[in-house]
Amino acid sequence: AQSVTQPDIHITVSEGASLELRCNYSYGATPYLFWYVQSPGQGLQLLLKYFSGDTLVQGIKGFEAEFKRSQSSFNLRKPSVHWSDAAEYFCAVRGGGADGLTFGKGTHLIIQP
Amino acid sequence: DVKVTQSSRYLVKRTGEKVFLECVQDMDHENMFWYRQDPGLGLRLIYFSYDVKMKEKGDIPEGYSVSREKKERFSLILESASTNQTSMYLCATQISYRVSKGGNQPQHFGDGTRLSIL
Repeated sequence: AQSVTQPDIHITVSEGASLELRCNYSYGATPYLFWYVQSPGQGLQLLLKYFSGDTLVQGIKGFEAEFKRSQSSFNLRKPSVHWSDAAEYFCAVRGGGADGLTFGKGTHLIIQP
Repeated sequence: DVKVTQSSRYLVKRTGEKVFLECVQDMDHENMFWYRQDPGLGLRLIYFSYDVKMKEKGDIPEGYSVSREKKERFSLILESASTNQTSMYLCATQISYRVSKGGNQPQHFGDGTRLSIL
C-alpha cells in the first residue's frame, strides 16, 4: 500500500524568504502525486500535480515541485513567500485503484513578518 | 470549475443521534469520497463511491455508512453519533478512477463540515 510522509509538522519562514516543504512517498509503480493547500476553515485546494514527464512541475500561486524518483520525494518550493501563504499543506499520492488519495499528515506553514 | 457543496459548515449534535452529512457536486463526476480530518492525523478516508449505489470502505469506516442514490449526491451517515466522531468532514469528487476517463486527475474538495458531538 502507498504511504506519504511529511517530516515537518510546523515550518516558520520569514516573509520574502524561500520555502521548501518536504514530502516522501512509498509506492511500487510510478505514482500520481499532488500538493494541496488548506487555508483556515476551508477545504483543500490543488496547488499542482505530477503524473509523468518533466520532473519539475509548476503550480498556482508561484509554487513548484520536483519529483525525484531516486529519493522517492516530491518537495514543494516557492522562491519568495507571502503572508497569504500561511496555511496547511498536504502532499498526497494516488495508487492504481478506485480509492482515494493517501495523504501525508500535513505541514503547517507560519509566515513571520 | 468543479463545485462541491457540503450542506453545512458547522453542525452540533448529541450523542446517540443519527446524523446526515450531505455532499452535492455539479460536474457529473463518477467518484465521490468522504474523509475526516483530525489534528496530527491528516485526512483519513471513510468511504468512497465510484458509481450510483456503489460504495466501498475506506480506512476508517466503523461507525459510518454512506448512501449514493443519485450520481450528484453522496451522503455520510453516523448511525449513532459518539463524541469521538467530533471532527472536520471533507467531501471530495473525482471525474473517474479509470485512467481512460481521467482517473489520474485530482480530487476536488468541498469546504468541509465541522461536526461537534456533545
